[in-house]
Amino acid sequence: GEQVEQRPPHLSVREGDSAIIICTYTDSATAYFSWYKQEAGAGLQLLMSVLSNVDRKEEQGLTVLLNKKDKRLSLNLTAAHPGDSAVYFCAVRATSSGQKLVFGQGTILKVYL
Amino acid sequence: GGIITQTPKFLIGQEGQKLTLKCQQNFNHDTMYWYRQDSGKGLRLIYYSITENDLQKGDLSEGYDASREKKSSFSLTVTSAQKNEMAVFLCASTDRGAETLYFGSGTRLTVL
Repeated sequence: GEQVEQRPPHLSVREGDSAIIICTYTDSATAYFSWYKQEAGAGLQLLMSVLSNVDRKEEQGLTVLLNKKDKRLSLNLTAAHPGDSAVYFCAVRATSSGQKLVFGQGTILKVYL
Repeated sequence: GGIITQTPKFLIGQEGQKLTLKCQQNFNHDTMYWYRQDSGKGLRLIYYSITENDLQKGDLSEGYDASREKKSSFSLTVTSAQKNEMAVFLCASTDRGAETLYFGSGTRLTVL
């Protein structure tokens, strides 16, 4: 089945710098890609999602890039601020997996002043 | 808008004990999920249900039971709690044909 690896597990950046999180996946039939944010003591909230026909999507300081050749998905937080400190997860769905999302291991992001 | 409510927020149990976690949603969503979150391992699917009285096993169903007696609620039972087990259990729901999952804030389990 689909395997997802997420890196790095921990990321610390200064306010105003960019933060990049990467996920690699194994199933070339993966059709749906998403990023979730989990703030302390809370559940996950969807940040952005793309389908397999999209290579790049930008929204409110976030950029998602999809490289289908390398099976790599990335999330770039440009100009991070302390409110971005949270745990971030990628989640992907292959057409073969029905209604099941496969999550990455998570990245703990800390943005310091 | 809607909300997913998980109870209890914190659950402390003894080894071997049977423990039940509850989840309620008022989105009127068809599909509900239970995930286990362990540090460094991401979220792993325990059970999901696509409609009332339906149950589907996820990747981590051994040691758990689930029940979906009505559309708005989905409960999870740890059949025999393991000593030193610590994890967060997250409930989520989604509408039929939709991709976005909506999550509750979790139940944190500690087994003494």
